[in-house]
Amino acid sequence: GAVVSQHPSRVICKSGTSVKIECRSLDFQATTMFWYRQFPKQSLMLMATSNEGSKATYEQGVEKDKFLINHASLTLSTLTVTSAHPEDSSFYICSATEGDKDYNEQFFGPGTRLTVL
Amino acid sequence: GQNIDQPTEMTATEGAIVQINCTYQTSGFNGLFWYQQHAGEAPTFLSYNVLDGLEEKGRFSSFLSRSKGYSYLLLKELQMKDSASYLCVIMDSNYQLIWGAGTKLIIKP
Repeated sequence: GAVVSQHPSRVICKSGTSVKIECRSLDFQATTMFWYRQFPKQSLMLMATSNEGSKATYEQGVEKDKFLINHASLTLSTLTVTSAHPEDSSFYICSATEGDKDYNEQFFGPGTRLTVL
Repeated sequence: GQNIDQPTEMTATEGAIVQINCTYQTSGFNGLFWYQQHAGEAPTFLSYNVLDGLEEKGRFSSFLSRSKGYSYLLLKELQMKDSASYLCVIMDSNYQLIWGAGTKLIIKP
């Protein structure tokens, strides 16, 4: 099946620093990539949707200047958390769709656990 | 508004059968997914239904009734590794996924 990777798997940073998370589709071309965050014991919350070569579409309440998304190629999207604060600590998950299936099944990356001190 | 309801937690015995129900009200419908999520891991795809009826895949089956806004995930021959959260997810008319809060399934020996 389609594989999506994320790097890093875990990151600990100081408050005020920026953190970049990479999401790669390893064996398919991802026309669309999604970024989610998940707080403990809560459902996934969609942050933004990105299509290769165009600006990401952010969900209501998500600050686009704080969560920078770059979908530079059909296999790579990056999420940069700028000036991270402790409340940004969360589990960030990306997913990708191949785009050629009826239901556009999303393939999920393993997630990145961010801890901001 | 958009709403997906599923039980918060269920407990079942190893080797038994369990049915996890999901009811939904969404703006449009382009399919219903079930995902499994182990603690600390990303969700993994289990099933997809877009037409009414039952889809069977090994020990797992998923049922959909669009007129009733209802689905269930049936797990047979439960194994300890099936302990996880099961997420009911709707794809709406804009092809966006709307996630339920998940049902935590606890399997006891």
